[in-house]
Amino acid sequence: EAQVTQNPRYLITVTGKKLTVTCSQNMNHEYMSWYRQDPGLGLRQIYYSMNVEVTDKGDVPEGYKVSRKEKRNFPLILESPSPNQTSLYFCASSPSWGEQTDTQYFGPGTRLTVL
Amino acid sequence: KNEVEQSPQNLTAQEGEFITINCSYSVGISALHWLQQHPGGGIVSLFMLSSGKKKHGRLIATINIQEKHSSLHITASHPRDSAVYICAVGRSGGGADGLTFGKGTHLIIQP
Repeated sequence: EAQVTQNPRYLITVTGKKLTVTCSQNMNHEYMSWYRQDPGLGLRQIYYSMNVEVTDKGDVPEGYKVSRKEKRNFPLILESPSPNQTSLYFCASSPSWGEQTDTQYFGPGTRLTVL
Repeated sequence: KNEVEQSPQNLTAQEGEFITINCSYSVGISALHWLQQHPGGGIVSLFMLSSGKKKHGRLIATINIQEKHSSLHITASHPRDSAVYICAVGRSGGGADGLTFGKGTHLIIQP
């Protein structure tokens, strides 16, 4: 089944404790992206990757890191989480990124709480 | 001013009504997406448009590039259509800038 998976789905952690949220897709998609969703602010893009080893900042990259060493995986790293990173996080992928932006496939979301 | 504005923010309607959700944007775009988010939180892509009109079942999406406006219509609405509908634009003009999202329209269809 074609899908985007995220782990963990729920995480409660404490300020400063490094964590990684994994994202994996099995559709051989080139483009992957991370978003966060907050009440009243909607979805906002954190980082995106057009292909392996190519990543770029979205609208709210501060406090996050990403890497794209393989096509299928795009982990989101919080080196020193803070309470303002408490949010619902979505990973998404699409076949490519070009003149005609492809349909995005979203993962199920990761609810992160930083105490 | 937000680059992507949706209206209304909240909409409650009776089953069977014709629903219209609007999206206006202020930037050049390569494509516009309509997404659906159910109460459980999962997000599904409904349409991707760069011109004209698309139809899928009871859902119709239109876009007017000159007016920078898109509408999502639901015909014969049903309680299972209750969800948050989100408009997102892919920005154009060199490089891949990703998606910019509207804040969503919370739709409730009452039986």
